[in-house]
Amino acid sequence: ELKVEQNPLFLSMQEGKNYTIYCNYSTTSDRLYWYRQDPGKSLESLFVLLSNGAVKQEGRLMASLDTKARLSTLHITAAVHDLSATYFCAVVYSDMRFGAGTRLTVKP
Amino acid sequence: ETGVTQTPRHLVMGMTNKKSLKCEQHLGHNAMYWYKQSAKKPLELMFVYNFKEQTENNSVPSRFSPECPNSSHLFLHLHTLQPEDSALYLCASSRLTGGDSYEQYFGPGTRLTVT
Repeated sequence: ELKVEQNPLFLSMQEGKNYTIYCNYSTTSDRLYWYRQDPGKSLESLFVLLSNGAVKQEGRLMASLDTKARLSTLHITAAVHDLSATYFCAVVYSDMRFGAGTRLTVKP
Repeated sequence: ETGVTQTPRHLVMGMTNKKSLKCEQHLGHNAMYWYKQSAKKPLELMFVYNFKEQTENNSVPSRFSPECPNSSHLFLHLHTLQPEDSALYLCASSRLTGGDSYEQYFGPGTRLTVT
């Protein structure tokens, strides 16, 4: 059974700081997604990573995928308050499985 | 309408009521999903339909009954729910083949409160 683990589950950081969210998964997959969810809202797709070594960047967020290590990272650079949200990674096996999510709070 | 829509957006129902949630996708996808999101389990897959056929039922209680009349519409029929069923119910759709296959697009959700 595919397991997807994210850490940390809760992250409080100050504006301007850098941090990384980790996503480990248990079964070989070459397709990984990152989603963002604002409180009370639905999930919005951020990145699609389709191959080993893939790196995608959008603004202050950068996602990477290492399929050999079964690990994806979401790196936050110089955090701002607008990045406060819950971030989910999701891995495709027979279908898509989500991690538990990382609730990020960026404080001034 | 574009994307994935869900109605109603908010629903309050008693434990003896019967209600239905509706989801519609306008993306030409061939798979649809129901998820439950609560404080206990952030994102819990309930049902999966591929080409209108149910392919997954994740041990969901029978008081939840899905229906997929065609690849664009998905319903979740609710009856004799419990207070612990209060949650955000999200619908999603995806393509099963092609370059963006499996990427799920989510609707805005239905906030359900069972009293």
